[in-house]
Amino acid sequence: EAQVTQNPRYLITVTGKKLTVTCSQNMNHEYMSWYRQDPGLGLRQIYYSMNVEVTDKGDVPEGYKVSRKEKRNFPLILESPSPNQTSLYFCASSPVVHQPQHFGDGTRLSIL
Amino acid sequence: EDQVTQSPEALRLQEGESSSLNCSYTVSGLRGLFWYRQDPGKGPEFLFTLYSAGEEKEKERLKATLTKKESFLHITAPKPEDSATYLCAVQVNTNAGKSTFGDGTTLTVKP
Repeated sequence: EAQVTQNPRYLITVTGKKLTVTCSQNMNHEYMSWYRQDPGLGLRQIYYSMNVEVTDKGDVPEGYKVSRKEKRNFPLILESPSPNQTSLYFCASSPVVHQPQHFGDGTRLSIL
Repeated sequence: EDQVTQSPEALRLQEGESSSLNCSYTVSGLRGLFWYRQDPGKGPEFLFTLYSAGEEKEKERLKATLTKKESFLHITAPKPEDSATYLCAVQVNTNAGKSTFGDGTTLTVKP
């Protein structure tokens, strides 16, 4: 089944404790992206990747890092999480840029 | 700066009562406009892509249209299962990988 898989789905952690949210897609897509969604707001783009080893900032990159060492994986790293990064995070992929994106089911992060 | 504004924020309809959702955009060089549906606790699910003014796409009770300044998602004779949040997103020519989403319209259809 074609899918975008995020892990973990839920995480409660404390300020300053490094964490990684993994994202993997099995569709051989070149384009991948991370978004955060806060109550009442649409999705805001954090980082995106056009292909392996190519990443770029979205609208809200502060406090986040990404890497794209393999085509299928695009982890999101919070090196020193803070409470304002409490949010619902979505990973997405598409065959190439400018095509519809397939989304994962989301990761709900709570940072105390 | 690219901007996408959706209206209304929330829409309550009776089953069978047709209506439209609006997505207005201000961008430099539209490459594509996307409509997604999002159910509670789920990731957005793709509905339509529109690439040029005048284009229309249709699927069951939904029809999406595009002008140079806005897009409409028309819902004809909606059913309760159409209840969801509908998101609009744009991508532009000048910044290939960037996606800008609107805040969404939450549609509730009462039986």
